[in-house]
Amino acid sequence: DIQLTQSPSFLSASVGDRVTITCRASQGISSYLAWYQQKPGKAPKLLIYAASTLQSGVPSRFSGSGSGTEFTLTISSLQPEDFATYYCQQLNSYPFTFGQGTRLEIK
Amino acid sequence: QVTLRESGPALVKPTQTLTLTCTFSGFSLSTSGMCVSWVRQPPGKALEWLALIDWDDDKYYSTSLKTRLTISKDTSKNQVVLTMTNMDPVDTATYYCARSYTAMATGDAFDIWGQGTMVTVSS
Repeated sequence: DIQLTQSPSFLSASVGDRVTITCRASQGISSYLAWYQQKPGKAPKLLIYAASTLQSGVPSRFSGSGSGTEFTLTISSLQPEDFATYYCQQLNSYPFTFGQGTRLEIK
Repeated sequence: QVTLRESGPALVKPTQTLTLTCTFSGFSLSTSGMCVSWVRQPPGKALEWLALIDWDDDKYYSTSLKTRLTISKDTSKNQVVLTMTNMDPVDTATYYCARSYTAMATGDAFDIWGQGTMVTVSS
């Protein structure tokens, strides 16, 4: 199975900050990576697919990059509604796997 | 509008078999490229992908759980069913179903999720 390791696991930041979350795959997955945002008590929401393509309706302050084994999710200017947990997911091969999550909290 | 809704028992006893149903609308699982997955999340923990079934009735499972899982579909009822045998308290989690449509730009990514159903395993 392909393992995904997110860093950091926890991030404290302020409104307006630029933050970056990293996701590393245990083997190359080309660009078959998605990012999800999850708020407490809610289902995950797709933010980015194919490593860097923004899902329809997602604000442009979110961006993704990377290919192969290293990927990043960047939020250019944090808004209050962005404080949530973020997960990466590889879709290169079965079984699909998720990272362990990055919890983003208000400083 | 595409929607998915999970249903099943809120409480199961250890060793019992769990049966969950995902009822969806707004798409057909007979459409080429359409897939439905199950994902679970124990309280306070990460997401875990469990299984996927596609339009062609191909099925894929989590490596660690594949001996306990069965996924099936009833296209006429717009339902996908997941069964998990030999339930244990560590299987306590919120269980989600989610859609992916490989013919769309989103590819295999899970673009629409159900609200989830909480299952507790306890005697």
